[in-house]
Amino acid sequence: ETGVTQTPRHLVMGMTNKKSLKCEQHLGHNAMYWYKQSAKKPLELMFVYNFKEQTENNSVPSRFSPECPNSSHLFLHLHTLQPEDSALYLCASSQTVQETQYFGPGTRLLVL
Amino acid sequence: GQQLNQSPQSMFIQEGEDVSMNCTSSSIFNTWLWYKQDPGEGPVLLIALYKAGELTSNGRLTAQFGITRKDSFLNISASIPSDVGIYFCAGRDTGGFKTIFGAGTRLFVKA
Repeated sequence: ETGVTQTPRHLVMGMTNKKSLKCEQHLGHNAMYWYKQSAKKPLELMFVYNFKEQTENNSVPSRFSPECPNSSHLFLHLHTLQPEDSALYLCASSQTVQETQYFGPGTRLLVL
Repeated sequence: GQQLNQSPQSMFIQEGEDVSMNCTSSSIFNTWLWYKQDPGEGPVLLIALYKAGELTSNGRLTAQFGITRKDSFLNISASIPSDVGIYFCAGRDTGGFKTIFGAGTRLFVKA
């Protein structure tokens, strides 16, 4: 248990569905991250939030929309995804953007 | 952009054997991190290294921060079946704002 929880753990959705992934950290951290992990590829950083403000968007398609209502919660809203978006989506947090990141267990997403 | 080359990509070993894996980069990093990811889970931090030349142990795991600050290795001694998983190295750049991850080393341990 790393102090970072993610729900749901598994999600199957059609290309026309709208769904949201949720991340919550109980570590008192100020920075939160979304990563995409596809098979046999390095972790891909998607978004970074620092004190609730988005500080990084690594050219992520607009069908992925993050939301950070407070320093403890991070959402990833999904809309009209493509099959190639199927992957493990990992949330992480750190005390500051310069400190070590701690990961949640991930949401395994399958887009049909 | 910055990249980490992690090798080997995969390893198949017998229980009890020692394991060594490494990461190299053309860039200098201020911090090296080693994570392990079990199947179906997120990466868990194993060891963090903050100083060039630093050698740190965590149980059967030992990691070193290379003197040139461009490489790091992780050793696992006397491997056991639960060591199976993907091991990731990560480097934090000199500004401290970016963490770059290697592609991972998949470890398989045969009992």
